[in-house]
Amino acid sequence: EDQVTQSPEALRLQEGESSSLNCSYTVSGLRGLFWYRQDPGKGPEFLFTLYSAGEEKEKERLKATLTKKESFLHITAPKPEDSATYLCAVYSGGYQKVTFGTGTKLQVIP
Amino acid sequence: GAGVSQSPRYKVAKRGQDVALRCDPISGHVSLFWYQQALGQGPEFLTYFQNEAQLDKSGLPSDRFFAERPEGSVSTLKIQRTQQEDSAVYLCASSTRQSSNYGYTFGSGTRLTVV
Repeated sequence: EDQVTQSPEALRLQEGESSSLNCSYTVSGLRGLFWYRQDPGKGPEFLFTLYSAGEEKEKERLKATLTKKESFLHITAPKPEDSATYLCAVYSGGYQKVTFGTGTKLQVIP
Repeated sequence: GAGVSQSPRYKVAKRGQDVALRCDPISGHVSLFWYQQALGQGPEFLTYFQNEAQLDKSGLPSDRFFAERPEGSVSTLKIQRTQQEDSAVYLCASSTRQSSNYGYTFGSGTRLTVV
């Protein structure tokens, strides 16, 4: 069974203080690793898909990287509007279900 | 519409009551998913439709849960004889792709509270 573990559970940063969120995964054969952002009272918003170790993707202040065992979401010089819960998820093919982690709740303080 | 629409946004049900949650996916999206998200947890898979066919219902927690998508567009998740443990946010997502290799578009969810 696919498993996803995210750390830390919560992270509080000062505006401009860069940091990384971690996603460790166990799957039988990774077909895709996803990062989503979720604001309170909203559904998850798709950010990135990574397919193979060594791959990187960027969007504004966010950069996602992937190794064979984990993924990192790097946040460079965050702003208060980056405050949200960031969810990591994996897809291993076969059945269509995607397995999510419990998320990292990020708070960026002005 | 421009996004995935779910209704109602909030539902309070008395224990034992039946509820029906509606999802309007993005027009033309082949794949539709239902997820359950408990407070402070990540979404958990319930079921998957490709057009009108329910191809995976392995995540439905009991036979009280039933989902349908009769014409391959709108979907309804029905929960019979609701229990307190059914309290959660129910998320619907759709995708233009037939494979989960690609990101989904989620709706804002229906928050179900069973009292």
